[in-house]
Amino acid sequence: AQKITQTQPGMFVQEKEAVTLDCTYDTSDPSYGLFWYKQPSSGEMIFLIYQGSYDQQNATEGRYSLNFQKARKSANLVISASQLGDSAMYFCAMREGGGYQKVTFGTGTKLQVIP
Amino acid sequence: NAGVTQTPKFRVLKTGQSMTLLCAQDMNHEYMYWYRQDPGMGLRLIHYSVGEGTTAKGEVPDGYNVSRLKKQNFLLGLESAAPSQTSVYFCASSYATLTYEQYFGPGTRLTVT
Repeated sequence: AQKITQTQPGMFVQEKEAVTLDCTYDTSDPSYGLFWYKQPSSGEMIFLIYQGSYDQQNATEGRYSLNFQKARKSANLVISASQLGDSAMYFCAMREGGGYQKVTFGTGTKLQVIP
Repeated sequence: NAGVTQTPKFRVLKTGQSMTLLCAQDMNHEYMYWYRQDPGMGLRLIHYSVGEGTTAKGEVPDGYNVSRLKKQNFLLGLESAAPSQTSVYFCASSYATLTYEQYFGPGTRLTVT
């Protein structure tokens, strides 16, 4: 089974609108962390936001927020007021607790912001 | 503070040739990782290290070897390159806690002909 699933290969959003990128995860570990990264066309990986499994509140970082629904095992990224510079690939990732501390990435969602 | 650097940025190999990719970090991170990124596959973990002198296999380790002789460096070796190893390779590092994100290098684009 996939540990991280991103079901939207590509999405379009109008500039200044909000957009939600979906991510579901699968783990039996009670301690885990969820991350979102942005990869623009230039190729670098940029960290956006983090949510811990024990965090009571949804994480927010500027225009980014993470809609964390633990029971549904979903960690959707919400980008408010989209900008042209938000056009990029977005990857959801999970780090599980225990001794390994490995991070598993989803296959990504390509977001295109339309002027 | 350079963060995570990778050498080289681009390389073209012929089938059967060998090469080593170098990753260096100056953030005193305990953990280091090597990923490969292929179209439609996201990032897949090749090998990782939780400390100097230790390495472990990730999701797709076949055809690669690694070494971490110094805490700041993590080397990825291809002993006999194959066309299937054409990919973009990313190195990353992080602190040894659950909450810290990984810091990525700029990537190495490798083509095996």
